[in-house]
Parts: sequence; structure tokens; C-alpha cells
Amino acid sequence: EAQVTQNPRYLITVTGKKLTVTCSQNMNHEYMSWYRQDPGLGLRQIYYSMNVEVTDKGDVPEGYKVSRKEKRNFPLILESPSPNQTSLYFCASSLSRYTGELFFGEGSRLTVL
Amino acid sequence: TQLLEQSPQFLSIQEGENLTVYCNSSSVFSSLQWYRQEPGEGPVLLVTVVTGGEVKKLKRLTFQFGDARKDSSLHITAAQPGDTGLYLCAGGVSNSGYALNFGKGTSLLVTP
Repeated sequence: EAQVTQNPRYLITVTGKKLTVTCSQNMNHEYMSWYRQDPGLGLRQIYYSMNVEVTDKGDVPEGYKVSRKEKRNFPLILESPSPNQTSLYFCASSLSRYTGELFFGEGSRLTVL
Repeated sequence: TQLLEQSPQFLSIQEGENLTVYCNSSSVFSSLQWYRQEPGEGPVLLVTVVTGGEVKKLKRLTFQFGDARKDSSLHITAAQPGDTGLYLCAGGVSNSGYALNFGKGTSLLVTP
């Protein structure tokens, strides 16, 4: 089954404790992206990757890091999480940056205390 | 970043009613997509429209792309509780730094 898998789905952590949210897709997609979704603010892009070893900032990259060492994986790293990073995070992938349909993971709800 | 305004923000209707939600921008998009997001899940693509004036139908859902490719509408006929969810529009600009820009969504609740 074609899918984007994120882990963990739920996480409560404390300020400053590094964490990684993993994302993996099995569709051989070149393009992958991370979004955060907040009430009243909608979906905002954090980082995206056009292909392996190619990443770029989205609208709200501050406080986040990403890497794309393999085509299928695109982890989101919070080096020193803060309460304002409490959010619902979505990983998405697409065949290419410009072909349209984004396939989303089920989301990771992160709470930073 | 090209801004997409969706209206209404919230909509609560009864089963069987018709409704229309709107997605407007001052920017021209090369394509526009509509997604539906159900609670606890990620958005799922419903349709992509690429031609000004284009109309696409998906069962009881009718999508229209404005002639100038700056706006779009989603019309649902005889809404059902299963239509409940957050409807997101996303505009694509082929030469921009971002593949898609999302509106904030219309939250639809259909009660039996």
C-alpha cells in the first residue's frame, strides 16, 4: 500500500530535549516536505526536499533541521524544542515538486512543556 | 508566498443541504487543488484543476476554477455526515520557491 509513515504519532516532551520525527514514503517520490498545522494559521511549510541531499527552507524553518540522505526518508529534527513548537506536524511527498498531488502522513502531534 | 483566503471559515449544516465554499487569491495560479482532512488524519487530495473556467465533478462535489485562475469554489450537493471535515485549497505556482500554498481551510460539520 502506498503510504507516508510518520513516527511518533504522539509525543510529549520538555523544553530543550532533542527529538526527531521520522518520515518514510514507499512511493519512490522525489519531493518530500514537512508542514505544521496550527489553529487559525493553517498548514505552513517548514522544509522541503527536491531530492536526495537537496533541502530548502519553507515558510517557518526556525528551530528545525532536516536531512535527506535516502530518497524514502526525510526526518524532522528539533534540536532544542520550545513550547511554541507544540503543533501537529505532517510529512508529505509527491512525485516531483511541480506535479501536484501531495500524499500526507497521518500526522505527529507534538507537545513541548 | 501567495495568500489564499478561504470562506467561510466554519460551516455547520444539516444533512441534505447544499453548500459552497470559496478559495480566493490576488495571485494567478497554474493549478489549484482541493484537499479534505478528516479528524486525526492527513489531508487527502480530492481534485486538481488547471485550466481557467474548468469544472470538475466528483460524485456530489463540483469544483470550479475561476476564468482568471485566481479563485476556485467547491459546491456540495445534498451534504452527508460523511462530508464532515476540513476542506483545504492549495494553489500551485510553477516557477515559485514553493510548490503549493495552502489556504487555512473551511471546517464543515454535517449533522444528521
